[in-house]
Amino acid sequence: GAVVSQHPSWVICKSGTSVKIECRSLDFQATTMFWYRQFPKQSLMLMATSNEGSKATYEQGVEKDKFLINHASLTLSTLTVTSAHPEDSSFYICSAREYRGGSTEAFFGQGTRLTVV
Amino acid sequence: AQSVTQLDSHVSVSEGTPVLLRCNYSSSYSPSLFWYVQHPNKGLQLLLKYTSAATLVKGINGFEAEFKKSETSFHLTKPSAHMSDAAEYFCVVYGGYQKVTFGIGTKLQVIP
Repeated sequence: GAVVSQHPSWVICKSGTSVKIECRSLDFQATTMFWYRQFPKQSLMLMATSNEGSKATYEQGVEKDKFLINHASLTLSTLTVTSAHPEDSSFYICSAREYRGGSTEAFFGQGTRLTVV
Repeated sequence: AQSVTQLDSHVSVSEGTPVLLRCNYSSSYSPSLFWYVQHPNKGLQLLLKYTSAATLVKGINGFEAEFKKSETSFHLTKPSAHMSDAAEYFCVVYGGYQKVTFGIGTKLQVIP
């Protein structure tokens, strides 16, 4: 199947700094990528939909100025957590979909565990 | 609108006994249904998927699931649990390009 690579897999940063997370589709082109956040002991919640060459679409309650998304190419989307605070500590996962053989399948990155200290 | 309900937040089985993780869904479209597994501090791994072909779907590591439209269910089963199966399992539904909807997850504990 297709591969989505997410980097870094874990990061620790100080309060007030910014962190960038990359999501790459390695063997297919993804015009749309999705960013999810997982709080401890909860399911994944969609944060935003990243569209290549246009602005991301954010879910209700997600601060677009805090979670900057850039989808500059068909294989790369980035999520930047700006001015991070401890409450931003979480597990972030990206996803890209590929349409093949009459169906759509979502592929997920390995996830990034962000700890803000 | 679409939704996913995982009926058990936590399931505990003994090693070597059968596993049943329950999932019910609702969707306005003909859904595609997936089961993913997440081991601690790891990303999601696809176990199996249903995309309107055979209703009984076989996945990796001996897991399988049956799509039952009349019951709007897609329960995940395995005949014999292994210690390495201990993880969190997510039932996921989407209809083509609609937003992906995740269940809340079921944590599987395997007792030696």
